[in-house]
Amino acid sequence: EPEVTQTPSHQVTQMGQEVILRCVPISNHLYFYWYRQILGQKVEFLVSFYNNEISEKSEIFDDQFSVERPDGSNFTLKIRSTKLEDSAMYFCASTRVGGSSYEQYFGPGTRLTVT
Amino acid sequence: QKEVEQNSGPLSVPEGAIASLNCTYSDRVSQSFFWYRQYSGKSPELIMSIYSNGDKEDGRFTAQLNKASQYVSLLIRDSQPSDSATYLCAVGRGDSSYKLIFGSGTRLLVRP
Repeated sequence: EPEVTQTPSHQVTQMGQEVILRCVPISNHLYFYWYRQILGQKVEFLVSFYNNEISEKSEIFDDQFSVERPDGSNFTLKIRSTKLEDSAMYFCASTRVGGSSYEQYFGPGTRLTVT
Repeated sequence: QKEVEQNSGPLSVPEGAIASLNCTYSDRVSQSFFWYRQYSGKSPELIMSIYSNGDKEDGRFTAQLNKASQYVSLLIRDSQPSDSATYLCAVGRGDSSYKLIFGSGTRLLVRP
Protein backbone atom coordinates (compact mmCIF):
# COMPACT_ATOMS: atom_id res chain seq x y z
CA GLU A 1 0.00 0.00 0.00
CA PRO A 2 1.45 3.38 -1.00
CA GLU A 3 2.50 5.61 1.87
CA VAL A 4 4.04 8.98 2.55
CA THR A 5 7.67 8.77 3.61
CA GLN A 6 9.75 11.35 5.47
CA THR A 7 13.42 11.79 6.22
CA PRO A 8 15.12 12.16 8.58
CA SER A 9 13.08 10.71 11.42
CA HIS A 10 14.91 12.92 13.91
CA GLN A 11 16.94 16.06 13.30
CA VAL A 12 18.88 17.90 15.96
CA THR A 13 20.14 21.34 15.05
CA GLN A 14 21.49 24.45 16.73
CA MET A 15 19.54 27.66 16.88
CA GLY A 16 20.13 29.77 13.78
CA GLN A 17 21.00 26.83 11.54
CA GLU A 18 19.13 25.89 8.39
CA VAL A 19 17.30 22.59 8.18
CA ILE A 20 15.62 20.81 5.30
CA LEU A 21 12.96 18.23 5.98
CA ARG A 22 12.17 15.82 3.16
CA CYS A 23 9.01 14.05 2.16
CA VAL A 24 7.98 11.74 -0.65
CA PRO A 25 4.19 12.01 -1.07
CA ILE A 26 2.05 9.21 -2.45
CA SER A 27 2.78 9.04 -6.16
CA ASN A 28 -0.62 9.87 -7.68
CA HIS A 29 -1.44 12.57 -5.14
CA LEU A 30 -1.62 16.18 -6.23
CA TYR A 31 -1.88 18.21 -3.03
CA PHE A 32 0.92 18.24 -0.50
CA TYR A 33 1.00 19.64 3.01
CA TRP A 34 3.21 20.32 5.96
CA TYR A 35 1.77 20.28 9.46
CA ARG A 36 3.53 20.55 12.75
CA GLN A 37 2.75 19.36 16.25
CA ILE A 38 4.50 20.86 19.23
CA LEU A 39 4.77 18.36 22.07
CA GLY A 40 1.45 18.06 23.87
CA GLN A 41 -0.34 20.37 21.45
CA LYS A 42 -2.60 19.91 18.49
CA VAL A 43 -1.62 19.33 14.89
CA GLU A 44 -1.33 22.71 13.11
CA PHE A 45 -1.47 23.44 9.40
CA LEU A 46 1.60 25.14 7.96
CA VAL A 47 1.31 25.15 4.19
CA SER A 48 -0.36 23.51 1.24
CA PHE A 49 1.20 23.05 -2.19
CA TYR A 50 -0.47 22.33 -5.50
CA ASN A 51 0.65 22.56 -9.09
CA ASN A 52 4.13 23.64 -8.05
CA GLU A 53 3.05 26.57 -5.97
CA ILE A 54 1.83 27.38 -2.49
CA SER A 55 -1.97 27.35 -2.42
CA GLU A 56 -2.31 28.45 1.20
CA LYS A 57 -0.08 29.14 4.18
CA SER A 58 -0.77 29.78 7.82
CA GLU A 59 0.45 32.60 10.03
CA ILE A 60 3.13 30.25 11.34
CA PHE A 61 4.62 29.93 7.86
CA ASP A 62 6.64 33.14 7.84
CA ASP A 63 9.62 34.18 5.74
CA GLN A 64 11.85 31.70 7.55
CA PHE A 65 9.95 28.83 5.96
CA SER A 66 9.91 27.72 2.36
CA VAL A 67 8.73 24.69 0.45
CA GLU A 68 9.87 23.18 -2.78
CA ARG A 69 9.19 20.25 -5.04
CA PRO A 70 12.65 19.90 -6.58
CA ASP A 71 11.77 16.87 -8.70
CA GLY A 72 8.84 14.63 -9.47
CA SER A 73 8.86 12.85 -6.14
CA ASN A 74 10.32 14.92 -3.30
CA PHE A 75 8.63 17.70 -1.37
CA THR A 76 10.79 19.67 1.06
CA LEU A 77 10.32 22.10 3.92
CA LYS A 78 13.20 24.44 4.65
CA ILE A 79 13.58 26.46 7.81
CA ARG A 80 16.25 29.08 7.16
CA SER A 81 17.25 30.08 10.68
CA THR A 82 15.82 27.79 13.29
CA LYS A 83 14.52 29.03 16.61
CA LEU A 84 13.98 27.12 19.84
CA GLU A 85 10.24 27.35 19.29
CA ASP A 86 10.54 25.48 15.98
CA SER A 87 11.14 22.31 17.97
CA ALA A 88 8.22 20.06 17.04
CA MET A 89 7.13 17.05 15.03
CA TYR A 90 6.74 17.98 11.38
CA PHE A 91 4.33 15.90 9.34
CA CYS A 92 4.04 15.78 5.60
CA ALA A 93 0.67 14.79 4.15
CA SER A 94 -0.76 14.31 0.71
CA THR A 95 -4.13 13.87 -0.91
CA ARG A 96 -5.34 13.03 -4.37
CA VAL A 97 -8.61 15.00 -4.31
CA GLY A 98 -10.76 13.07 -6.72
CA GLY A 99 -14.50 12.59 -6.88
CA SER A 100 -15.67 13.21 -3.33
CA SER A 101 -12.50 12.14 -1.58
CA TYR A 102 -10.33 14.60 0.27
CA GLU A 103 -8.57 12.13 2.51
CA GLN A 104 -5.10 13.18 3.63
CA TYR A 105 -2.48 10.60 4.47
CA PHE A 106 0.33 11.50 6.83
CA GLY A 107 3.94 10.49 6.83
CA PRO A 108 5.68 9.21 9.97
CA GLY A 109 7.02 12.65 10.80
CA THR A 110 10.36 14.29 11.50
CA ARG A 111 11.10 15.22 15.06
CA LEU A 112 13.02 18.51 14.97
CA THR A 113 14.94 19.46 18.07
CA VAL A 114 16.50 22.92 18.15
CA THR A 115 19.10 23.46 20.86
CA GLN B 1 -13.90 30.30 20.05
CA LYS B 2 -11.93 27.19 19.16
CA GLU B 3 -12.51 26.03 15.60
CA VAL B 4 -12.61 22.31 16.36
CA GLU B 5 -13.34 21.23 19.92
CA GLN B 6 -12.90 17.89 21.56
CA ASN B 7 -13.01 16.74 25.15
CA SER B 8 -9.39 15.99 26.07
CA GLY B 9 -10.34 12.99 28.21
CA PRO B 10 -9.12 10.54 29.12
CA LEU B 11 -12.16 8.52 28.21
CA SER B 12 -11.84 5.18 29.95
CA VAL B 13 -13.92 2.21 28.81
CA PRO B 14 -13.69 -1.51 29.56
CA GLU B 15 -12.64 -3.93 26.86
CA GLY B 16 -15.59 -4.90 24.68
CA ALA B 17 -17.55 -1.73 25.39
CA ILE B 18 -18.57 1.01 22.99
CA ALA B 19 -16.41 4.13 23.06
CA SER B 20 -18.08 7.35 21.98
CA LEU B 21 -15.94 10.29 20.92
CA ASN B 22 -17.37 13.69 20.12
CA CYS B 23 -16.30 16.76 18.21
CA THR B 24 -17.87 20.13 17.46
CA TYR B 25 -16.76 22.65 14.89
CA SER B 26 -17.46 26.33 14.49
CA ASP B 27 -17.25 27.00 10.76
CA ARG B 28 -20.58 26.26 9.04
CA VAL B 29 -18.96 26.05 5.60
CA SER B 30 -16.96 22.98 6.65
CA GLN B 31 -17.51 20.19 4.18
CA SER B 32 -15.29 17.26 5.07
CA PHE B 33 -14.73 15.55 8.38
CA PHE B 34 -12.14 13.04 9.44
CA TRP B 35 -11.14 10.96 12.40
CA TYR B 36 -7.50 10.14 12.90
CA ARG B 37 -5.92 7.89 15.50
CA GLN B 38 -2.57 8.94 16.95
CA TYR B 39 -0.45 6.74 19.13
CA SER B 40 2.06 8.49 21.35
CA GLY B 41 5.02 9.71 19.33
CA LYS B 42 3.50 8.60 16.03
CA SER B 43 1.78 10.32 13.16
CA PRO B 44 -1.99 10.65 12.65
CA GLU B 45 -3.51 7.59 11.00
CA LEU B 46 -6.74 8.06 9.07
CA ILE B 47 -9.62 5.98 10.42
CA MET B 48 -12.77 7.46 8.91
CA SER B 49 -13.95 10.18 6.62
CA ILE B 50 -17.50 11.50 6.37
CA TYR B 51 -18.91 14.16 4.11
CA SER B 52 -22.70 14.03 4.41
CA ASN B 53 -25.17 13.95 7.28
CA GLY B 54 -25.89 10.60 8.84
CA ASP B 55 -23.89 7.55 9.75
CA LYS B 56 -21.00 5.85 8.01
CA GLU B 57 -19.82 2.47 9.17
CA ASP B 58 -16.49 0.76 8.58
CA GLY B 59 -15.87 -2.38 10.59
CA ARG B 60 -15.98 -1.55 14.29
CA PHE B 61 -16.05 2.18 13.59
CA THR B 62 -19.07 4.38 12.92
CA ALA B 63 -18.80 8.07 12.16
CA GLN B 64 -21.83 10.28 12.61
CA LEU B 65 -22.26 13.76 11.18
CA ASN B 66 -24.88 16.39 11.94
CA LYS B 67 -24.11 19.57 10.03
CA ALA B 68 -27.05 21.47 11.50
CA SER B 69 -25.64 20.94 14.99
CA GLN B 70 -22.03 21.20 13.75
CA TYR B 71 -21.28 17.94 15.45
CA VAL B 72 -19.37 14.85 14.41
CA SER B 73 -18.79 11.73 16.46
CA LEU B 74 -16.97 8.42 16.31
CA LEU B 75 -18.23 5.22 17.85
CA ILE B 76 -15.86 2.33 18.41
CA ARG B 77 -17.63 -0.95 19.04
CA ASP B 78 -16.05 -3.88 20.86
CA SER B 79 -13.22 -1.66 22.08
CA GLN B 80 -9.83 -3.35 22.38
CA PRO B 81 -6.80 -2.35 24.46
CA SER B 82 -5.02 -1.69 21.15
CA ASP B 83 -7.58 1.07 20.49
CA SER B 84 -6.02 3.04 23.35
CA ALA B 85 -4.72 6.17 21.64
CA THR B 86 -5.57 9.81 21.05
CA TYR B 87 -8.35 10.35 18.53
CA LEU B 88 -8.14 13.51 16.48
CA CYS B 89 -11.08 15.15 14.81
CA ALA B 90 -10.14 17.10 11.68
CA VAL B 91 -12.31 19.36 9.59
CA GLY B 92 -11.85 20.56 6.02
CA ARG B 93 -13.50 23.76 4.84
CA GLY B 94 -13.60 22.86 1.20
CA ASP B 95 -11.43 25.81 0.29
CA SER B 96 -8.91 25.63 -2.52
CA SER B 97 -6.18 24.11 -0.39
CA TYR B 98 -8.30 21.40 1.29
CA LYS B 99 -6.30 22.00 4.47
CA LEU B 100 -7.40 20.37 7.70
CA ILE B 101 -8.10 22.02 11.02
CA PHE B 102 -7.51 19.65 13.92
CA GLY B 103 -8.99 19.43 17.36
CA SER B 104 -6.75 18.80 20.33
CA GLY B 105 -7.79 15.16 20.48
CA THR B 106 -9.48 12.85 22.96
CA ARG B 107 -7.35 10.31 24.75
CA LEU B 108 -9.04 6.91 24.91
CA LEU B 109 -8.03 4.25 27.40
CA VAL B 110 -9.47 0.76 26.96
CA ARG B 111 -9.11 -1.25 30.17
CA PRO B 112 -8.47 -5.01 29.75
